[in-house]
Amino acid sequence: NAGVTQTPKFQVLKTGQSMTLQCAQDMNHNSMYWYRQDPGMGLRLIYYSASEGTTDKGEVPNGYNVSRLNKREFSLRLESAAPSQTSVYFCASRVSTGLDNEQFFGPGTRLTVL
Amino acid sequence: AQSVTQPDIHITVSEGASLELRCNYSYGATPYLFWYVQSPGQGLQLLLKYFSGDTLVQGIKGFEAEFKRSQSSFNLRKPSVHWSDAAEYFCAVGARYGNKLVFGAGTILRVKS
Repeated sequence: NAGVTQTPKFQVLKTGQSMTLQCAQDMNHNSMYWYRQDPGMGLRLIYYSASEGTTDKGEVPNGYNVSRLNKREFSLRLESAAPSQTSVYFCASRVSTGLDNEQFFGPGTRLTVL
Repeated sequence: AQSVTQPDIHITVSEGASLELRCNYSYGATPYLFWYVQSPGQGLQLLLKYFSGDTLVQGIKGFEAEFKRSQSSFNLRKPSVHWSDAAEYFCAVGARYGNKLVFGAGTILRVKS
């Protein structure tokens, strides 16, 4: 049982390049989340997917798109990377909304945009 | 608006000393509260959570937290800190049936021997 996995672990992009961050969970969770972590700002929600087939914007969605590929996988895409998107990105999953449960986090992807 | 304040950016304690990390929240409904720990280069691990019931909750690694509704606080404590507790600690608040967690900015704990 690997929990929440993320690829890649590290990535360096040039301004304007695109990339997709991958996330998968093997816990049969319904809900999945993407956060970014910046120093002194904690974690901020980018997008989430309450269940397969649905996605919604979080606090800081601009410059990102997401795809809930199936129940296991939730990807985050940067279409045209900007230096302001330099951050550590965390994926998380949760059993479901409507229940007393917590989010489980992946190990993170450290992204640098030059 | 929902918010979480962790007043201390950095805290340094001696190994074996007690620890208290502060967390204050602003939330319009019944808050569900969490403490997560992040070791260097790692993801976030849940230490403990409070949904309802006894306001003193026990977590992993010897941590506990107390929910005080009158003070809008959920402070994390440990009686005796170990060097391996050096990490960043995040307090978070959410709604029971909601999707979104709001995180504090984090407190970096340093342990000196």
